[in-house]
Amino acid sequence: KNQVEQSPQSLIILEGKNCTLQCNYTVSPFSNLRWYKQDTGRGPVSLTIMTFSENTKSNGRYTATLDADTKQSSLHITASQLSDSASYICVVNTGFQKLVFGTGTRLLVSP
Amino acid sequence: EAQVTQNPRYLITVTGKKLTVTCSQNMNHEYMSWYRQDPGLGLRQIYYSMNVEVTDKGDVPEGYKVSRKEKRNFPLILESPSPNQTSLYFCASQAGVYSGANVLTFGAGSRLTVL
Repeated sequence: KNQVEQSPQSLIILEGKNCTLQCNYTVSPFSNLRWYKQDTGRGPVSLTIMTFSENTKSNGRYTATLDADTKQSSLHITASQLSDSASYICVVNTGFQKLVFGTGTRLLVSP
Repeated sequence: EAQVTQNPRYLITVTGKKLTVTCSQNMNHEYMSWYRQDPGLGLRQIYYSMNVEVTDKGDVPEGYKVSRKEKRNFPLILESPSPNQTSLYFCASQAGVYSGANVLTFGAGSRLTVL
């Protein structure tokens, strides 16, 4: 069964600190993996898209990694800001727009 | 501004009263999709459409209908809503279907409560 598991479920960090969110997937076939940020009450917004051949991709203070061998991805947030408080969703595309969604990690950045 | 617009944003209704949630995109995207989001379950696909007059079931289609008569619109229809359809609904669109690099653009969501 195709599954995407994210950890931790929730996380509280102090403003200015770094954090790493994890995504493990058992999805086949694999086309790409995306990280989305979802602010409370809003729709998800794409942060990064990674294909099979990509190991690391950055978007400002967000850096995603992908290990296709172990089927793991991480999202590292550097120098967190209050506006980073949101849910972060890992989504794996099996191809032809068949998407498998993780349940997300809820991040709270505290002042 | 490129966007996906959903209406209504909030709705409280009663069991059995038909309702439609509209979705419109202004990006000329071929692909459109509906999702529901429930606590602890993540986003689950209800229906999707590859293009005009082409629709197909997602993972949780029971109790829902869709239509795609025009490229820009993809309404979600609940013929006889039930309390288990209380959820947060998202419409999304994407340019093309077969390019893995394309990304979904989501609407702001529609929170539906069925009493």
